[in-house]
Amino acid sequence: LAKTTQPISMDSYEGQEVNITCSHNNIATNDYITWYQQFPSQGPRFIIQGYKTKVTNEVASLFIPADRKSSTLSLPRVSLSDTAVYYCLVGPRVDQGGKLIFGQGTELSVKP
Amino acid sequence: EADIYQTPRYLVIGTGKKITLECSQTMGHDKMYWYQQDPGMELHLIHYSYGVNSTEKGDLSSESTVSRIRTEHFPLTLESARPSHTSQYLCASSGKGQPYNEQFFGPGTRLTVL
Repeated sequence: LAKTTQPISMDSYEGQEVNITCSHNNIATNDYITWYQQFPSQGPRFIIQGYKTKVTNEVASLFIPADRKSSTLSLPRVSLSDTAVYYCLVGPRVDQGGKLIFGQGTELSVKP
Repeated sequence: EADIYQTPRYLVIGTGKKITLECSQTMGHDKMYWYQQDPGMELHLIHYSYGVNSTEKGDLSSESTVSRIRTEHFPLTLESARPSHTSQYLCASSGKGQPYNEQFFGPGTRLTVL
């Protein structure tokens, strides 16, 4: 399974755009990149998933360069409620036998 | 909103007791999972199931056992609880289709063994 490296913590202010980068140098051809968000005392929640290029949904964008060795989660105009831990996961599809491996994640703190 | 439920939310018990943590989902998902997470630490997969009568151990060794007799139900049992079992236990499920790696998590059970 591809090992991921992401910052342990980040600080931001309300209204700013936040970019969290994840490195995954040994990503495999059949691996997908998935990001989850977790609030204290809750289970993680799926944010976004991509394979290559750019993916955007109603809450975030995911940028993946051509070599796929890194990815960047972009959160536009964060608010205090975006304070959470963000996990970058890299692995094959779970419907093809893959399992989600959660690392330490990035603890994002949004200040007023 | 995901329909996956866990009971109890909090449980404090004494050493040696047998406990069962309940997990149910109403989404008809074939795959279900149990994770263990200590405060401020990573989630670790301890059990998973790809369907009825299918159970597998995860990446973290656990003394717990699971069963999958019905699609919607995936209980976790500890035959004799010990203080080392104190942790948060999270249940999740996933179905077919995209996004491929979207799992829906329950609210968790926080277990304290005295």
